[in-house]
Amino acid sequence: DQQVKQNSPSLSVQEGRISILNCDYTNSMFDYFLWYKKYPAEGPTFLISISSIKDKNEDGRFTVFLNKSAKHLSLHIVPSQPGDSAVYFCAARGNAGNMLTFGGGTRLMVKP
Amino acid sequence: GAVVSQHPSWVICKSGTSVKIECRSLDFQATTMFWYRQFPKQSLMLMATSNEGSKATYEQGVEKDKFLINHASLTLSTLTVTSAHPEDSSFYICSAEDSAWGGYTFGSGTRLTVV
Repeated sequence: DQQVKQNSPSLSVQEGRISILNCDYTNSMFDYFLWYKKYPAEGPTFLISISSIKDKNEDGRFTVFLNKSAKHLSLHIVPSQPGDSAVYFCAARGNAGNMLTFGGGTRLMVKP
Repeated sequence: GAVVSQHPSWVICKSGTSVKIECRSLDFQATTMFWYRQFPKQSLMLMATSNEGSKATYEQGVEKDKFLINHASLTLSTLTVTSAHPEDSSFYICSAEDSAWGGYTFGSGTRLTVV
């Protein structure tokens, strides 16, 4: 049973436009959400996170939105740059433990 | 920022041999480290939680006798793949929770190929 889902395996965006990556979860006990960027054969790199008590967190070009009632979060990247091309994972942590549950990832391709 | 060093970055070994992967937190102490496994084009699957000074907690379906985890200090956790077989070939990644900022830092991963 996948508790964290990223339903779009890939996304293609033109440079300068907005990239929106989506993530849905089923476990209402998750209280902290994170987005990671990953290149092949490398470990994930932390991008941005959000606590369940907030609905938005912004850091430069990256903004994460959380809709608790819909159990949905999204990562907005604007403006998108070719260097943003990578696989993006959302992850969630439950308040019963500090382990992360990852979504399946979305491959973002930003075209020049 | 927090750095987690993972070695080796890639290793090729013969079937039946054992391989040790090290994960070090360089500038912070990590009482808990996590070991993940990633198959091609798939997500990161948590294998086990490594607890300093105590036994690791393994996820369902992960053989504890095959994947030995040792967390002897606050900055080092090791994963040993014992009697490796080709189906153990995968990308293994460790991570550590930095209590200073409540986030998780990942190592660079280890590509294991068993031939």
